[in-house]
Amino acid sequence: DAGITQSPRHKVTETGTPVTLRCHQTENHRYMYWYRQDPGHGLRLIHYSYGVKDTDKGEVSDGYSVSRSKTEDFLLTLESATSSQTSVYFCAISALAETQYFGPGTRLLVL
Amino acid sequence: QKEVEQDPGPLSVPEGAIVSLNCTYSNSAFQYFMWYRQYSRKGPELLMYTYSSGNKEDGRFTAQVDKSSKYISLFIRDSQPSDSATYLCAMSTPGGGADGLTFGKGTHLIIQP
Repeated sequence: DAGITQSPRHKVTETGTPVTLRCHQTENHRYMYWYRQDPGHGLRLIHYSYGVKDTDKGEVSDGYSVSRSKTEDFLLTLESATSSQTSVYFCAISALAETQYFGPGTRLLVL
Repeated sequence: QKEVEQDPGPLSVPEGAIVSLNCTYSNSAFQYFMWYRQYSRKGPELLMYTYSSGNKEDGRFTAQVDKSSKYISLFIRDSQPSDSATYLCAMSTPGGGADGLTFGKGTHLIIQP
């Protein structure tokens, strides 16, 4: 298995609170991604990174921000969580931007 | 246009049967094609990866790409109850993987013992 961990694995929070999810890799891969997975929508890209301090928006980036200060860590922040951000969040990594390897996911419930 | 169509199922077959899972797509620029397996409450696991058209075999699994028809398939031979999972197809353009893969919504497969 690719060396990817996500923390926390589960989180319950209230509307309006900030939330930060962490993705950590031990593979030294250049590319890192954040997806959300929802019933009826499948996996959708939120943000991605192609290097330290290099990030870009994906398909569903509104309400999310990211940071990557080290190769191994990619943080996803919900500045003010809303109920529509209740989802399962997956981090993925890639060495060559072709195949991607996924982490175990974080289940987020926003009340 | 980034769109991938995949029948959500569920697809239920008896143990030992040959399973065929399929996706169609509209973007002719897609060159890289993947199949992921996702067990309940787990992350997607890369199962098969092919570049452009053709077949690729790995054990009981065969991935097939027909770019002329914009159609990809995953065949599972001698299916086992442990193959019960959701199967996601995914694809990307050359270098386009840098901005993520385009996924189908997944087919839920049930192998009956």
